[in-house]
Amino acid sequence: QQQVKQSPQSLIVQKGGISIINCAYENTAFDYFPWYQQFPGKGPALLIAIRPDVSEKKEGRFTISFNKSAKQFSLHIMDSQPGDSATYFCAASIGWNAGNMLTFGGGTRLMVKP
Amino acid sequence: DGGITQSPKYLFRKEGQNVTLSCEQNLNHDAMYWYRQDPGQGLRLIYYSQIVNDFQKGDIAEGYSVSREKKESFPLTVTSAQKNPTAFYLCASSISGFEQFFGPGTRLTVL
Repeated sequence: QQQVKQSPQSLIVQKGGISIINCAYENTAFDYFPWYQQFPGKGPALLIAIRPDVSEKKEGRFTISFNKSAKQFSLHIMDSQPGDSATYFCAASIGWNAGNMLTFGGGTRLMVKP
Repeated sequence: DGGITQSPKYLFRKEGQNVTLSCEQNLNHDAMYWYRQDPGQGLRLIYYSQIVNDFQKGDIAEGYSVSREKKESFPLTVTSAQKNPTAFYLCASSISGFEQFFGPGTRLTVL
């Protein structure tokens, strides 16, 4: 089953707080898990990505946690800022020989209140 | 500047018309992709191409057609067979790896 489920659909966080977005997948063949950030009217931009051979990856205020056995991964945004207000998408893909097609979650609209 | 360009930014179509959305990249990427995004939803794959003169259907290819005559270009035609074409269309490209870079999108509205 090529499906990625994302939660919550929307999230409101106070400035300086931690934003947490969760994703779960079905297909154990997925081997690449990126997170994209999208501002209204713009194309998504890659934020951070992880391969299943590591359990955590951190880039600045953004951290991906990956639980292979549970088939879940999550995005943590530390010290959330109003400029982080955007829609976030998790995704998963299998690899070049399988077309490298991204399967996206439904998205989370994040609002960071000043 | 390297990147992906999509044109036009806004497109209006009358019922029964075919329209073509442009996608060009100067990143020397092998693969190109078309996604459709509906309000409040994730992106769904329409077509993808890993090499010139070859392309594959994605999850929602019905009512759409593509061509890949040049490495840099991957135009998408929305045909009259697509019954609900109003959406935000996104083109992406990648080198033979994983990271996909997205263009700015084309918003198509049916009048």
